[in-house]
Amino acid sequence: QKEVEQDPGPLSVPEGAIVSLNCTYSNSAFQYFMWYRQYSRKGPELLMYTYSSGNKEDGRFTAQVDKSSKYISLFIRDSQPSDSATYLCAMSRGDNNNDMRFGAGTRLTVKP
Amino acid sequence: KAGVTQTPRYLIKTRGQQVTLSCSPISGHRSVSWYQQTPGQGLQFLFEYFSETQRNKGNFPGRFSGRQFSNSRSEMNVSTLELGDSALYLCASSLFPGLNTEAFFGQGTRLTVV
Repeated sequence: QKEVEQDPGPLSVPEGAIVSLNCTYSNSAFQYFMWYRQYSRKGPELLMYTYSSGNKEDGRFTAQVDKSSKYISLFIRDSQPSDSATYLCAMSRGDNNNDMRFGAGTRLTVKP
Repeated sequence: KAGVTQTPRYLIKTRGQQVTLSCSPISGHRSVSWYQQTPGQGLQFLFEYFSETQRNKGNFPGRFSGRQFSNSRSEMNVSTLELGDSALYLCASSLFPGLNTEAFFGQGTRLTVV
């Protein structure tokens, strides 16, 4: 079993839809939870992060962390074709090292 | 402000050869981490450098090595290349180790081993 599980998709939605992306994990030591967006032939770019459990909102994006269930989510409201990319969840213990564990990534396509 | 720069962008090598990849972090960033990205395994942590010292290493064979220079630029080396080493190699820089929430990735070097 992988430390971080993420459905690779692909996921295809119409423009304007609400998108839900999820990851589960097994290591209870994870404290920081990140979501990265990666366009084709580009490096990942950090979308948002959450420390421990809770919700965080940034524009059309909302990240949720439920540490009791070891489950994290990213919601995209009013999805746009420009949101078409691969979304990667990542986690770390936060103990002064940069060893992040990534999910496999979910490929999202938003159709106009 | 320039981002993380990785060179070269693309590389084709033959099995058994060795290769060196370069990463120039964002100005002022002193921590550099390397990751391997493949369709099957996703992004996997290789190692992290800070102040010219390797601080952490992932579960990769000794053929994978790296170093960091006094100007924080980093190189990684893969010796005796295998077909399975074909991947996108990414580096990420941050001000200090552990600042995962402030880590910025380069565009990567795509290595193809034939």
